[in-house]
Amino acid sequence: QKEVEQNSGPLSVPEGAIASLNCTYSDRVSQSFFWYRQYSGKSPELIMSIYSNGDKEDGRFTAQLNKASQYVSLLIRDSQPSDSATYLCAVRGGGYQKVTFGTGTKLQVIP
Amino acid sequence: GAGVSQTPSNKVTEKGKYVELRCDPISGHTALYWYRQSLGQGPEFLIYFQGTGAADDSGLPNDRFFAVRPEGSVSTLKIQRTERGDSAVYLCASQDSMNTEAFFGQGTRLTVV
Repeated sequence: QKEVEQNSGPLSVPEGAIASLNCTYSDRVSQSFFWYRQYSGKSPELIMSIYSNGDKEDGRFTAQLNKASQYVSLLIRDSQPSDSATYLCAVRGGGYQKVTFGTGTKLQVIP
Repeated sequence: GAGVSQTPSNKVTEKGKYVELRCDPISGHTALYWYRQSLGQGPEFLIYFQGTGAADDSGLPNDRFFAVRPEGSVSTLKIQRTERGDSAVYLCASQDSMNTEAFFGQGTRLTVV
């Protein structure tokens, strides 16, 4: 079982719709959770971090964390073509633990 | 500097040669990561430094790979006897404390021919 799992996609949504990206992780003691966006040929760029159960909103982005289910998600409201990218879920355990990435979900926003 | 800097941005080397990839983290960041990313894959963990010491080197694929961070700032990833399968983008990231986000450099694209 991979430590961090994501559906590779592509996930296609029409412009203006809500895009929902999901991630599960295997290590129950994980404490920090991140979503990165990566455009083709570029390095990952942090867009959201979440550390406690519940929702965290930042503009059009909402991260959701459920530690009991070992599940973290990212919602993108009013999706724009510029949101088309690969979204990477990353997880960190407690203390001085490494950050582990999933393989990413490719999102395509159709104008 | 303002961000994580990696040099060179591109490196082409012949099979069997030795290469060094450099990472200059954000000033004051104590944690530094090296990842490797192949096309269509997520970043694959290689090694993680806290200060000068390697806190976790479990991702280094074999003994041809080695990394150092002698003064707790700049890090060098060293690859001996390069193989074509080592071709990938090597990403460096730095972080300023245990629970904050990691910021990436622009990567070094290594091509072994």
